[in-house]
Amino acid sequence: QITLKESGPTLVKPTQTLTLTCTFSGFSLSTTAVGVGWIRQPPGKALEWLALIYWDDDKRYSPSLKSRLTVTKDTSKNQVVLTMTNMHPVDTATYYCAHHSYISGWYHFDYWGQGPLVTVSS
Amino acid sequence: EIMLTQSPGTLSLSPGERATLSCRASQSVSSTYLAWYQQKPGQAPRLLIYGASNRATGIPDRFSGSGSGTDFTLTISRLEPEDFAVYYCQQYDSSPLWTFGQGTKVEIK
Repeated sequence: QITLKESGPTLVKPTQTLTLTCTFSGFSLSTTAVGVGWIRQPPGKALEWLALIYWDDDKRYSPSLKSRLTVTKDTSKNQVVLTMTNMHPVDTATYYCAHHSYISGWYHFDYWGQGPLVTVSS
Repeated sequence: EIMLTQSPGTLSLSPGERATLSCRASQSVSSTYLAWYQQKPGQAPRLLIYGASNRATGIPDRFSGSGSGTDFTLTISRLEPEDFAVYYCQQYDSSPLWTFGQGTKVEIK
């Protein structure tokens, strides 16, 4: 059974750096074709993909946010960490991590964490 | 960058009725890379359909996906009370990799 859970601050101040950790179970990030992605959702708005890290440490970022994002993994701890610098109030959103595998040629997210709402406010 | 436009924005229907949701891409999308999600208030999205027409594990057969090229459709054959939610389509492409539509809300009439 695959599960993911995000942890981190629920309130950050403008210009601060957000660090979120995704702790997962039921799969290994050392398995070929497996990845963990980050997706966010501002209150009442649509989903936005942010970043993804693959089993081989290949990293992909949304072009519009690439300069502010870093994603890393700790395979031994079954964790993926997302950092986003220079937070603004418009970055207020629920941040989800999700499991992805392209082993069968599909490119979707099949398991999601519950996602914390991160509020950016002074 | 491929944009996904979902219509209608809101669909007002009664339980038992058929729901037809549209997702239109600004450029041709491989069917392999088109997925649909359901999201209920306060919950994470749930994968419904992948590869445009394949139901995810545990998804009832009243949900079906179809389409190709730039036009894709999610159909709910007979709405159950638990189906009233927001639905998102998603595609994968070279850049910016994954994008989502703006969502269609299916509400009780």
